[in-house]
Amino acid sequence: GDSVTQMEGPVTLSEEAFLTINCTYTATGYPSLFWYVQYPGEGLQLLLKATKADDKGSNKGFEATYRKETTSFHLEKGSVQVSDSAVYFCALRRNAGKSTFGDGTTLTVKP
Amino acid sequence: NAGVTQTPKFQVLKTGQSMTLQCAQDMNHNSMYWYRQDPGMGLRLIYYSASEGTTDKGEVPNGYNVSRLNKREFSLRLESAAPSQTSVYFCASSEENSNTEAFFGQGTRLTVV
Repeated sequence: GDSVTQMEGPVTLSEEAFLTINCTYTATGYPSLFWYVQYPGEGLQLLLKATKADDKGSNKGFEATYRKETTSFHLEKGSVQVSDSAVYFCALRRNAGKSTFGDGTTLTVKP
Repeated sequence: NAGVTQTPKFQVLKTGQSMTLQCAQDMNHNSMYWYRQDPGMGLRLIYYSASEGTTDKGEVPNGYNVSRLNKREFSLRLESAAPSQTSVYFCASSEENSNTEAFFGQGTRLTVV
């Protein structure tokens, strides 16, 4: 079956540091890939997505590129802020079915 | 801009009690989902509904029942609550197109004592 593997957390960074959160997936066919963010006490919300190979999703300074050859969708940001502290989930969806989520990575950014 | 609305936000139950978690969406989505979120275990799918009148089991359906009352509403029922069901529950909805994202409610924090 489909699966998503995220790097284990938690991740703690200083403000303005570079962020990478690794995500790899296993799925047949050509899934769409997503990053969701969850702020404390809230539900998940879409951060960015990519729907085909080599697409780059971007939003709020975050980026991720759909790499079919390595089955990866790593999340990056060049300079994190305290307000980026949250839990980040990688997910895939294919064939109009339900989504498959990774376990989430908790990011804490310190001033 | 209501999106996905869940009620209640918080609930404490005694072991053996029953309750229903309510969820409604105003985006005309066919697909709706119930997840539970536990520390270190990410999101686990309990039940989903691909369209009005249909429901299917997810990864962890035991101890739960669901009703897709109409296109807008998808409820989750715990018939006899157990401490293992202490969790945060999220309802979500999406369009059928796999290129589209899921929209989540704010969650219900349930404690079973």
